[in-house]
Amino acid sequence: AQSVTQPDIHITVSEGASLELRCNYSYGATPYLFWYVQSPGQGLQLLLKYFSGDTLVQGIKGFEAEFKRSQSSFNLRKPSVHWSDAAEYFCAVGGTGRRALTFGSGTRLQVQP
Amino acid sequence: DVKVTQSSRYLVKRTGEKVFLECVQDMDHENMFWYRQDPGLGLRLIYFSYDVKMKEKGDIPEGYSVSREKKERFSLILESASTNQTSMYLCASSLQGGRNTEAFFGQGTRLTVV
Repeated sequence: AQSVTQPDIHITVSEGASLELRCNYSYGATPYLFWYVQSPGQGLQLLLKYFSGDTLVQGIKGFEAEFKRSQSSFNLRKPSVHWSDAAEYFCAVGGTGRRALTFGSGTRLQVQP
Repeated sequence: DVKVTQSSRYLVKRTGEKVFLECVQDMDHENMFWYRQDPGLGLRLIYFSYDVKMKEKGDIPEGYSVSREKKERFSLILESASTNQTSMYLCASSLQGGRNTEAFFGQGTRLTVV
């Protein structure tokens, strides 16, 4: 069975500081990995995705993520956080033969002025 | 852009009522999904459908059923609503499986059962 672990439930960073959100996955084959963001009261928006190739992927809003197969991780990073980045972030895994994504429990990001 | 539309943003229903949550997508996607979102639990898959009239149970199907009579529409049915079904419900669609599993989400329906 596939699973996703996001170890940090809540993170607070200062505006302008760097950010890293952790994601670990469990999947028996080559994973397809996604990061989504959810603003309050909204649906989920895709930030970035990884299927194969370059292990560092770029996404929207200045986010990037690095796939590390040896650590089963797909951590999300941003060099300088803006107040508008305050939201909840979800990591998800899918793969060949799977139609549905499996999501982690989410990390809520708070940004201090 | 893909658009997934859920018919209601907020619903309040009484215990025991039959509740219908409706979802429509406009991009001819093969797959449609219903997830439930609860604090600390993330998104959990209730049911999904990969074709008209075809459905598969997800991780938490108990107390729910679904209907897909047309490709663009996927309904979630609570046969007899209970207070433990108070939650945010998210509908999503995706083109196919494999590399096309990117899911596009609706705005969500916040259901309160009293």
